[in-house]
Amino acid sequence: EDKVVQSPLSLVVHEGDTVTLNCSYEVTNFRSLLWYKQEKKAPTFLFMLTSSGIEKKSGRLSSILDKKELFSILNITATQTGDSAIYLCAVEATGANNLFFGTGTRLTVIP
Amino acid sequence: GAVVSQHPSRVICKSGTSVKIECRSLDFQATTMFWYRQFPKQSLMLMATSNEGSKATYEQGVEKDKFLINHASLTLSTLTVTSAHPEDSSFYICSAREGGPGDTQYFGPGTRLTVL
Repeated sequence: EDKVVQSPLSLVVHEGDTVTLNCSYEVTNFRSLLWYKQEKKAPTFLFMLTSSGIEKKSGRLSSILDKKELFSILNITATQTGDSAIYLCAVEATGANNLFFGTGTRLTVIP
Repeated sequence: GAVVSQHPSRVICKSGTSVKIECRSLDFQATTMFWYRQFPKQSLMLMATSNEGSKATYEQGVEKDKFLINHASLTLSTLTVTSAHPEDSSFYICSAREGGPGDTQYFGPGTRLTVL
């Protein structure tokens, strides 16, 4: 059964902390893994990962994929209150007929 | 865990025809369902929010007469793309929420629409 599991489900940290969000998956015909940030309305795209071991970085956010162990992590350093959101992980299967979402990690950053 | 299904997973149609996509919450009652459209390597675009038994709320720029949404029951919402054109080709994703804002949204697997 294809599935995407994110952990933790929720997380509360103080500004300046570093957080690591986890996403593990079991998907037939894996094609890519995507990270999204959802604040109010639609999730906004953060990263797309297709190859193992290559870190993608954008400001204080970075992500890496391990296709052998079937997981990805999203790191946020020096967190700010504006990072408070739900972070969604989704895995795309070959043929792009399926996009499997995890339930997300709710991150709350306290001033 | 909560499961949301979509049907069909893929549909190819001719220009001018209408296509209906179903979104079902399989093991919970969805007070609210959301319809998104995804463009390659881009964020999901929220098209509309529907509450069971009431009219959908469409986002700015989304034509309500073209994208008909019906949330007839607590487990089923449908999106009908009327008079489809090639530019409507996209990946459509629904999500469902049991409770109010702040509750978890569960996403469906998406429907790939190709209009020839």
